[in-house]
Amino acid sequence: SAVISQKPSRDICQRGTSLTIQCQVDSQVTMMFWYRQQPGQSLTLIATANQGSEATYESGFVIDKFPISRPNLTFSTLTVSNMSPEDSSIYLCSVWDSEVQETQYFGPGTRLLVL
Amino acid sequence: GEDVEQSLFLSVREGDSSVINCTYTDSSSTYLYWYKQEPGAGLQLLTYIFSNMDMKQDQRLTVLLNKKDKHLSLRIADTQTGDSAIYFCAESIRGGGNKLTFGTGTQLKVEL
Repeated sequence: SAVISQKPSRDICQRGTSLTIQCQVDSQVTMMFWYRQQPGQSLTLIATANQGSEATYESGFVIDKFPISRPNLTFSTLTVSNMSPEDSSIYLCSVWDSEVQETQYFGPGTRLLVL
Repeated sequence: GEDVEQSLFLSVREGDSSVINCTYTDSSSTYLYWYKQEPGAGLQLLTYIFSNMDMKQDQRLTVLLNKKDKHLSLRIADTQTGDSAIYFCAESIRGGGNKLTFGTGTQLKVEL
């Protein structure tokens, strides 16, 4: 299975600032995804990070608030812009492993607290 | 539409079997997954089942799928304290290359 790391693992930020979260995979993967898990809640897909093209966002999420980069097949970033306390969540990167199809693996998550 | 439901809590004694249930509404689901989330950790893929299967067994884990009733269950045999975690079921409409819709999560507490 793919090994996924995320940086930072946690952060405390002031409202109005932005934070960029990095996701690194140890192998080339076809698809990378970003999810949000609000406190005590389930996971919600933010967007699919597409290599070489703009990310595909889910309903309720927009590029201006959550810009995403995917410069190659092993790396992606998610920026949480102009943060408010409502953005306090765990942000998780996941990948679709093309070698073991139909499975998605998740990174350890980034725990964000906005004051 | 996609809607995945789970009961919120389950408490069992160590050594007993745990059964975590999940219902989904989208009949187009092709793969159904079980993930485990321990406190402060990310999601660990436990197992998955293709929609044309009724059952899948993997060591202490047994997954049952009733496609007619859109009901999925995860049975953990000989439950241990290390099994205490939140368990999420998730469905994928066209396989892993597409988004997962997660259930609400079931908090499993294993008591001595």
